Amino acid sequence: AQRVTQPEKLLSVFKGAPVELKCNYSYSGSPELFWYVQYSRQRLQLLLRHISRESIKGFTADLNKGETSFHLKKPFAQEEDSAMYYCALSGGGSEKLVFGKGMKLTVNP
Amino acid sequence: DTGVSQNPRHKITKRGQNVTFRCDPISEHNRLYWYRQTLGQGPEFLTYFQNEAQLEKSRLLSDRFSAERPKGSFSTLEIQRTEQGDSAMYLCASSLAGAGGYFGPGTRLTVT
Repeated sequence: AQRVTQPEKLLSVFKGAPVELKCNYSYSGSPELFWYVQYSRQRLQLLLRHISRESIKGFTADLNKGETSFHLKKPFAQEEDSAMYYCALSGGGSEKLVFGKGMKLTVNP
Repeated sequence: DTGVSQNPRHKITKRGQNVTFRCDPISEHNRLYWYRQTLGQGPEFLTYFQNEAQLEKSRLLSDRFSAERPKGSFSTLEIQRTEQGDSAMYLCASSLAGAGGYFGPGTRLTVT
């Protein structure tokens, strides 16, 4: 079964601190992993996907198949990064996304 | 094109009533997805269309739920005989190729 686990519900850091939002997945095949972000009162939007290997808004994420993880990292958090972050997975020829429960990041001034 | 749109944005209904939601995807997107999100949870997949064909349905989609995309453009999601457990945010997403699409603002359903 496909499952995504975001072990922490809340993370609070000060501006300029590094952040790491953890994501672990359970899937036997080759998954496609995503990070979505939802800012206050806005819709869910795609932040990055592992196949594109992009850095968006200073965030990066590396797929670690050995540890079945796809942690989201940013070296210097900004106040505007405060939002809900969701990790998601698709695979096995299915186009559905399986989401984690999300994590709320608060960046304090 | 301002992205995926959903109507209505909010719906309050009494238990037992039928409700219908509409989703207008980004115009050139052939894939359309419905998700449901409850408080404290991530979105849960309900169903997926490629053009007008409904290709995948979740076990969450009981007999009371039906979705259509008759001309491969907009889609409707109908819930019959609503129950309090149906209260949730219903999200629509569209994409041109594969998972990981653009989400709409959602329709918040409250069943009283």
